[in-house]
Amino acid sequence: EAGVVQSPRYKIIEKKQPVAFWCNPISGHNTLYWYLQNLGQGPELLIRYENEEAVDDSQLPKDRFSAERLKGVDSTLKIQPAELGDSAVYLCASSLTSGRSGDTQYFGPGTRLTVL
Amino acid sequence: GQQLNQSPQSMFIQEGEDVSMNCTSSSIFNTWLWYKQDPGEGPVLLIALYKAGELTSNGRLTAQFGITRKDSFLNISASIPSDVGIYFCAGQGPNTGNQFYFGTGTSLTVIP
Repeated sequence: EAGVVQSPRYKIIEKKQPVAFWCNPISGHNTLYWYLQNLGQGPELLIRYENEEAVDDSQLPKDRFSAERLKGVDSTLKIQPAELGDSAVYLCASSLTSGRSGDTQYFGPGTRLTVL
Repeated sequence: GQQLNQSPQSMFIQEGEDVSMNCTSSSIFNTWLWYKQDPGEGPVLLIALYKAGELTSNGRLTAQFGITRKDSFLNISASIPSDVGIYFCAGQGPNTGNQFYFGTGTSLTVIP
């Protein structure tokens, strides 16, 4: 079974440019998460989808970040315009469901973003 | 966002030694997860715990769900060089809004 797929693995852009990340979750997983991971820190949730609905986006900086999961499968996270402080690793994870004891999250390899 | 208290922050040990790390929270959890992250990679799930008091092993790794539901422990026995990496705990509970919160990580270095 394929794991969580993310692309690109690395991205270098200049500040004020737009950037997009793509994630394809494990087949059959209804819940998809986007996390931000700064150097030396644990992942921090940006947005959580249950199927195509964003059920928790309270920590997503909506002035420049947007995300979509139109058909409830793969998802795109966008930053426009990017700032120097956005340099980090963007992780995607998926789980069968959310909020049910016994469920677990599986992560993709991440996209390392560098903003110059 | 909230982060769990994970300790120690870093460890330097000799190959063959045992390792212990723990994670604590101010909230009770229903699920504890332990991950290992290698440089340039995403976290890989090691052990999942779903019941207070539960003790689960995965090879040389053993993790426990604390009785108070506010802590968890991960032990690695007879460490080897490939155990090097950053270990994260993650927890989810009735007061987390179905969200997993992550620890700050324990960086493990194994000296051959």
